[in-house]
Amino acid sequence: DVKVTQSSRYLVKRTGEKVFLECVQDMDHENMFWYRQDPGLGLRLIYFSYDVKMKEKGDIPEGYSVSREKKERFSLILESASTNQTSMYLCASSPPFRGGKNIQYFGAGTRLSVL
Amino acid sequence: GQQVMQIPQYQHVQEGEDFTTYCNSSTTLSNIQWYKQRPGGHPVFLIQLVKSGEVKKQKRLTFQFGEAKKNSSLHITATQTTDVGTYFCAGYQGAQKLVFGQGTRLTINP
Repeated sequence: DVKVTQSSRYLVKRTGEKVFLECVQDMDHENMFWYRQDPGLGLRLIYFSYDVKMKEKGDIPEGYSVSREKKERFSLILESASTNQTSMYLCASSPPFRGGKNIQYFGAGTRLSVL
Repeated sequence: GQQVMQIPQYQHVQEGEDFTTYCNSSTTLSNIQWYKQRPGGHPVFLIQLVKSGEVKKQKRLTFQFGEAKKNSSLHITATQTTDVGTYFCAGYQGAQKLVFGQGTRLTINP
């Protein structure tokens, strides 16, 4: 089974802190994604990566950055956390899109509260 | 950019009633996927539809992809308490980026 592991299930941080959210997948997937999930807004893509050291902005990249130094690991960084970044953060991975079934596999999520 | 709209946002039914959620895209989709997220859980892939007019069934769940490949629906017949959760549709924008609908949260009165 594909496993996507997020480092923390719950996290509480202070405004202005630098926050790291880590995600590791064990299926050698090329693509990795960071989403945030808020009630009524569904899943919104923050950043994604289709290869090591490659990154692309999603729909809401402002206030976030990412790092992908190894294929299995994709980190989301909040340079200076703000209260409006309180949310559920979901990491996902998938094989490359080749016109066939391209399922995204999600981690359990990190519920971040910024006080 | 592409938008995927999903309605209704919430649906509460009595156990045994049917349930339908609808998904509409502003652009033609190459394919559409459906995911289910149980309360407290993470989204899990259910199915992918690729062909225009395609209909697929998984037990009591019926998935349809519109002829124009811009809309889709998920219908559950005779809901059970195990169907509780949020159902998301998602369509591909470009080669790599999946755009999710807002989700429909289904609750069931036993």
